[in-house]
Amino acid sequence: AQSVTQLDSQVPVFEEAPVELRCNYSSSVSVYLFWYVQYPNQGLQLLLKYLSGSTLVESINGFEAEFNKSQTSFHLRKPSVHISDTAEYFCAVSNPQGAQKLVFGQGTRLTINP
Amino acid sequence: KAGVTQTPRYLIKTRGQQVTLSCSPISGHRSVSWYQQTPGQGLQFLFEYFSETQRNKGNFPGRFSGRQFSNSRSEMNVSTLELGDSALYLCASSPISSGSLDEQFFGPGTRLTVL
Repeated sequence: AQSVTQLDSQVPVFEEAPVELRCNYSSSVSVYLFWYVQYPNQGLQLLLKYLSGSTLVESINGFEAEFNKSQTSFHLRKPSVHISDTAEYFCAVSNPQGAQKLVFGQGTRLTINP
Repeated sequence: KAGVTQTPRYLIKTRGQQVTLSCSPISGHRSVSWYQQTPGQGLQFLFEYFSETQRNKGNFPGRFSGRQFSNSRSEMNVSTLELGDSALYLCASSPISSGSLDEQFFGPGTRLTVL
């Protein structure tokens, strides 16, 4: 079975400060890893994903995440956040055998203060 | 292209009733997955349909069922509603032409409240 742990339920930061949202996973098989973002009253949007290859993946809006197999982690980082990044962020895992079945973490609510 | 649409967006039911939620995937997408989101349990996978067949199933009781039509639209049904079924139900579609992973695109969800 697979599981995902997001270590922080809430992360408050000031605008233009850096942020790291932590994600650890557990799996006995190879994994695909994802970060999704959910804005208020909306569905989930894919932020970035790791399927294979380079362990550092980037999104178009400045977020990046690094797959660390030895530490079973996939932390999300952004060097400088904006008010518009206020949202809930979900880390998720799946595997090649059940690829469409995503297992999500509990989510991290990112609050940006001016 | 239009995104994933879910109807209705909000629904209020009472215990013991049944409910049907609808999901229209992005045009051309053949896989539809359903998730339940609650404050306590978070996001949990319900089931996935591909070409009108259930391909994956989560750990939910038999009261939760679904189906997919030939045009890829999907419905999920919950019978004998319980208070704990109150949740945001999210539908996601993906193109899927083989068994490989494709990005899932989520709809805005249907918020179900059971009184």
